[in-house]
Amino acid sequence: NAGVTQTPKFQVLKTGQSMTLQCAQDMNHEYMSWYRQDPGMGLRLIHYSVGAGITDQGEVPNGYNVSRSTTEDFPLRLLSAAPSQTSVYFCASSRPGTGELFFGEGSRLTVL
Amino acid sequence: KNEVEQSPQNLTAQEGEFITINCSYSVGISALHWLQQHPGGGIVSLFMLSSGKKKHGRLIATINIQEKHSSLHITASHPRDSAVYICAVEAQDSNYQLIWGAGTKLIIKP
Repeated sequence: NAGVTQTPKFQVLKTGQSMTLQCAQDMNHEYMSWYRQDPGMGLRLIHYSVGAGITDQGEVPNGYNVSRSTTEDFPLRLLSAAPSQTSVYFCASSRPGTGELFFGEGSRLTVL
Repeated sequence: KNEVEQSPQNLTAQEGEFITINCSYSVGISALHWLQQHPGGGIVSLFMLSSGKKKHGRLIATINIQEKHSSLHITASHPRDSAVYICAVEAQDSNYQLIWGAGTKLIIKP
């Protein structure tokens, strides 16, 4: 049981480049989400999904895109990277109301 | 005012001390989570509570729904307990979104 697999762990981008952060879970959870964590701040929700084919915006969605073609995968795309997107990104997978809440190990992204 | 407030923001204690971290919230909730994040590390769920009290090893979590308050206690604290402890609530009618506290940074000195 791998839980939540998030890749890459580290990435350096130049301003304007695009990239995709991958997130996969093997627990058949319907609910998945992406957060960013900046120094001294709490987690902020970027996008979330309540099931395959269904996504919605969180608190800070601008500059990011998501899709959910399968239950297992929930990739996060940075369309045109900006220095303000330098952060640590976490993917989470959960079954609400059950206590099943798991996070990926995080992806540290630096945009130069 | 944040919907989820944690106190204290920072806590330093000696090994062996009894630790209490508090979480207050202002919205109706269906559940409350306590999570742990070690420096530079991932985030691990410790407890989910909707009522009463839960215990796991040296960790105890309580919740008072009427007072909209939860506490996380650590008994016989150890340096390996040093971490950020985060409270998050599942608000009612929120489409399962979590509302996060800012976290409490705990340092246990040997």
